[in-house]
Parts: sequence; C-alpha cells; structure tokens
Amino acid sequence: DGGITQSPKYLFRKEGQNVTLSCEQNLNHDAMYWYRQDPGQGLRLIYYSQIVNDFQKGDIAEGYSVSREKKESFPLTVTSAQKNPTAFYLCASNREGVNYGYTFGSGTRLTVV
Amino acid sequence: AQSVTQLDSQVPVFEEAPVELRCNYSSSVSVYLFWYVQYPNQGLQLLLKYLSGSTLVKGINGFEAEFNKSQTSFHLRKPSVHISDTAEYFCAVPYYGGSQGNLIFGKGTKLSVKP
Repeated sequence: DGGITQSPKYLFRKEGQNVTLSCEQNLNHDAMYWYRQDPGQGLRLIYYSQIVNDFQKGDIAEGYSVSREKKESFPLTVTSAQKNPTAFYLCASNREGVNYGYTFGSGTRLTVV
Repeated sequence: AQSVTQLDSQVPVFEEAPVELRCNYSSSVSVYLFWYVQYPNQGLQLLLKYLSGSTLVKGINGFEAEFNKSQTSFHLRKPSVHISDTAEYFCAVPYYGGSQGNLIFGKGTKLSVKP
C-alpha cells in the first residue's frame, strides 16, 4: 500500500547534537512538508518542497535544514541551533495541490535529554 | 491572509451524546476547508473536506461538517459519539504565500468521550 513512512518513531538526542528525521513516500507526490507539533499550539510549518532540488522555509525554519534530492525523500535535520527541539514532528505530502489536502506520516517524537 | 480559529481547546462529552466542534476561518480567496483527526502518538487522518458544491459535507466515522460562508464557519458535528472518537481534531485552510501553497491549521480541539 502507498503511504508516507517516518522513522524512527521515537528519537532521543543529547544537547548540542544534530539529528536527522527520515520521511519517505511512495505515493508519487510532488510536494512534501514538515510540521512541528507542540501541545496546544497546533501544527507549525517548518519547510516545504514542491519539486526535487527546491524547498522553501516555513514559519519556524530557524535551527532546521532539509534536502530534496529525490522525489520520494524529504529528510529533516534538527541542528544544535534549534533551542527547543523537543516536539512531535510530522511529514506530509500531496500531488494534486494544496487545495486537496495532505497525506500524513505517523510522526517522530524527538526528545532532548 | 488566511487563518483558522478553533474556539474550544477541549470538549468533554458523554458517550452517545451529540457533539459540535467549532471552526471559524478568514480568507480573502476561494475557500477550501478540511477537518483532520489525530489519535494519540499518530499522524493526522483526513476526516472530510469542502472544495465546492453542497455546503453539508459527510466524512468518515459518521462525522459531517457544514460550510457557512456568511458566518465564515465550518463546524464539525456527530449525532452520537463513541469512546473511540476520543482524539484531537484539527481544522485547516490553504494558505497561498507567494507562489506556493500549504495548509495552515487551527490549534486543535481535544474531544474526550466519557462512558
């Protein structure tokens, strides 16, 4: 079945370390997105990409980086510059345009220890 | 600019009672509206969407929503809830910043169904 796979489901990071969250889709979707979710704050957009080798900053891009070398993959790196990285991270994609909504992955919970 | 307001952060309700989760939006362009559901530690799943046509939209799990242009609302309803409906619900609208679009989400409403 087609879908979006996020890995790992749980991730622990020491302060000062970079960590990369994986997002892979086999839906043949052009656009992919990363959101951060914190309790009571809804979802906030970190980065998005409409085509391979191109991506745009969202509302809270500081301390994060992405790449889009393949259509299927959109990894997110949480760098040491992100001051409060503990959160639930969600990856999403769509093909038909944002008017038709997203398909989401199951998320990665990142905890800084 | 587009925005979404979910008026209730938490809604407790007893099993088999009706429920309404409220969503108001502001938009200067054509309106498309979505409701998503999130179960604990999972991603979001599309419940229903309004793109055009009938203002009453039916979704999965017995939910429905009504688009009201004059009140800029898209409230989600279910006539009789089950324990399994306990989850967080998000309303969303497309945002067209620059030449590319993305969804902006409300802050969510936690529905808690009690026996």
